[in-house]
Amino acid sequence: TQLLEQSPQFLSIQEGENLTVYCNSSSVFSSLQWYRQEPGEGPVLLVTVVTGGEVKKLKRLTFQFGDARKDSSLHITAAQPGDTGLYLCAGARSGGYQKVTFGTGTKLQVIP
Amino acid sequence: KAGVTQTPRYLIKTRGQQVTLSCSPISGHRSVSWYQQTPGQGLQFLFEYFSETQRNKGNFPGRFSGRQFSNSRSEMNVSTLELGDSALYLCASSPQGTEKLFFGSGTQLSVL
Repeated sequence: TQLLEQSPQFLSIQEGENLTVYCNSSSVFSSLQWYRQEPGEGPVLLVTVVTGGEVKKLKRLTFQFGDARKDSSLHITAAQPGDTGLYLCAGARSGGYQKVTFGTGTKLQVIP
Repeated sequence: KAGVTQTPRYLIKTRGQQVTLSCSPISGHRSVSWYQQTPGQGLQFLFEYFSETQRNKGNFPGRFSGRQFSNSRSEMNVSTLELGDSALYLCASSPQGTEKLFFGSGTQLSVL
């Protein structure tokens, strides 16, 4: 059972367009992370959000953690070809030893 | 600071063989996690080690095992390989007290 569902699964857009990726779960997480993975490489951490309702900005990327800490979104403004990659959300649970669970992934292609 | 190093980068094996993958974490990181990534199942958690002890284990058969050494380097072993074990195996290390994962480039295993 996949605990974190991402949508859309695939996204192909033109350079300059805006997009939003969603990460949803029925479980509560103590924190949620977003990673970007390029072909042939491991995922790279972009951001961690820990407080319900928290919004973090990283240049053209805006990350939001849902109030109930069950969902998150990633919004990219004016997408560029360098944004191309697989975007993964990951939820961590506190209490005891933490285990990070990854979402299903969103493959983004930005066409020049 | 050197990143997470995984060896080998690519591996081709036949069914029934066994394989050992190696991971050297970032200096000072004592937690090492292993993930299996396939197109169909995404990133699946295998296990996590901290100070030579397995702290968490995912839902994989006993053919998948791992260990961690006193210098925090980790190995994972897969015995009696099956075609379905073909995947990218990713290792990640974490600083103590956080759930942030720093991934290596992975080992691409192909089972023929």
